Amino acid sequence: DIQMTQSPSSLSASVGDRVTITCRASQSISTYLNWYQQKSGKAPKVLIYAASSLQSGVPSRFSGSGSGTDFTLTISSLQPEDFATYYCQQTYSTPRTFGQGTKVEI
Amino acid sequence: QVQLQESGPGLVKPSETLSLTCTVSGGSISSYYWSWIRQPPGKGLEWIGRISTSGSTNYNPSLNSRVTMSVDTSKNQFSLKLSSVSAADTALYYCAREVEGSSRALDPWGQGTLVTVSS
Repeated sequence: DIQMTQSPSSLSASVGDRVTITCRASQSISTYLNWYQQKSGKAPKVLIYAASSLQSGVPSRFSGSGSGTDFTLTISSLQPEDFATYYCQQTYSTPRTFGQGTKVEI
Repeated sequence: QVQLQESGPGLVKPSETLSLTCTVSGGSISSYYWSWIRQPPGKGLEWIGRISTSGSTNYNPSLNSRVTMSVDTSKNQFSLKLSSVSAADTALYYCAREVEGSSRALDPWGQGTLVTVSS
């Protein structure tokens, strides 16, 4: 199985801050990497697919980059509605695997 | 707009079989992979497996021997069975569609259904 390691596990930030979350794969996964946002009590929703493509309807302050084993999710200017938990997921092979999550708190 | 809805018992006894169904509305179930994901309370996401509308399956090896997935295209539904459950299987269970193409992202998701394993 491909292991996905996110860092940090949690972070505290303020509205307007630039936030960066990293995800590392245990082997190369090309750009088969997706990012999800999960708000409390809700199902996850995809923000970024194929490492750097913005899902339709997602604000442009979200961006993704990387390929191979190292990936980054960036929120350019944190908004109140962005406080949530973020997960990366590899879809290079099965079993699909998720990172452990990064909780973004005030 | 495709929507997914999980259904099934919210309480299952230890050693019994957990059975859930996901109903797809607003579009056809054909030509996609359909997935199950679970999330224990307060914890992260675990991919359980996926099934295509032709019946091809991939399961998480950590659950492989206990998982069975099936699809009923006439009802636009797919199902999950997890046998010999224990308290460790208590979780919020989600169904989701795996998008075709280079991303294979999970979109959309159902709202999730909580399954508690307890006597």
